[in-house]
Amino acid sequence: AQSVTQPDIHITVSEGASLELRCNYSYGATPYLFWYVQSPGQGLQLLLKYFSGDTLVQGIKGFEAEFKRSQSSFNLRKPSVHWSDAAEYFCAVLFMYSGGGADGLTFGKGTHLIIQP
Amino acid sequence: EAGVVQSPRYKIIEKKQPVAFWCNPISGHNTLYWYRQNLGQGPELLIRYENEEAVDDSQLPKDRFSAERLKGVDSTLKIQPAELGDSAVYLCASSPPSGGAEAFFGQGTRLTVV
Repeated sequence: AQSVTQPDIHITVSEGASLELRCNYSYGATPYLFWYVQSPGQGLQLLLKYFSGDTLVQGIKGFEAEFKRSQSSFNLRKPSVHWSDAAEYFCAVLFMYSGGGADGLTFGKGTHLIIQP
Repeated sequence: EAGVVQSPRYKIIEKKQPVAFWCNPISGHNTLYWYRQNLGQGPELLIRYENEEAVDDSQLPKDRFSAERLKGVDSTLKIQPAELGDSAVYLCASSPPSGGAEAFFGQGTRLTVV
């Protein structure tokens, strides 16, 4: 079955430190990959996406993610976090049909990021 | 450009009462989704529309949930009757007419059933 796993429920990082949030997926082919961020009481905002090509993708707010096919992973990184980065982060995948159609996004359970001063 | 608009933002109802949520997608977006997000979880797809056609409603609890998208623009999601377990955030999202594009989300409706 298709699935998305975010193994870390909570992560605490000091302000200014680097960050890596993990995401793994289970699928027979390469899906389209996304990272979304959700602040309290808000909807989801797209940080970045990977469809094909360069496996290191840049997003908004200084985030980047690297697709590793051999590990079925799409980890999110940021070299130096800011207090405003505290939020819930969701990895999501879009599984494509061979005919070109797709279902809706499948989300991981999210990682809650806490920033220590 | 206006984003996806949802209303109401918050709703508190007693169990067994009906409730409806409204969504106005981004102009020109033909794909519309309704997701449910339980506390501490990621969103889960309830139904997906391509224009006015519901192309995937396999996760919609059809005994009490219904949805419509008249004229392929606005959409309404209804629950009747509501149960305590329906308390969640209901998110609407839309995508433009190109395969694989990302979904743009509204701010959601937080439903509390008491």
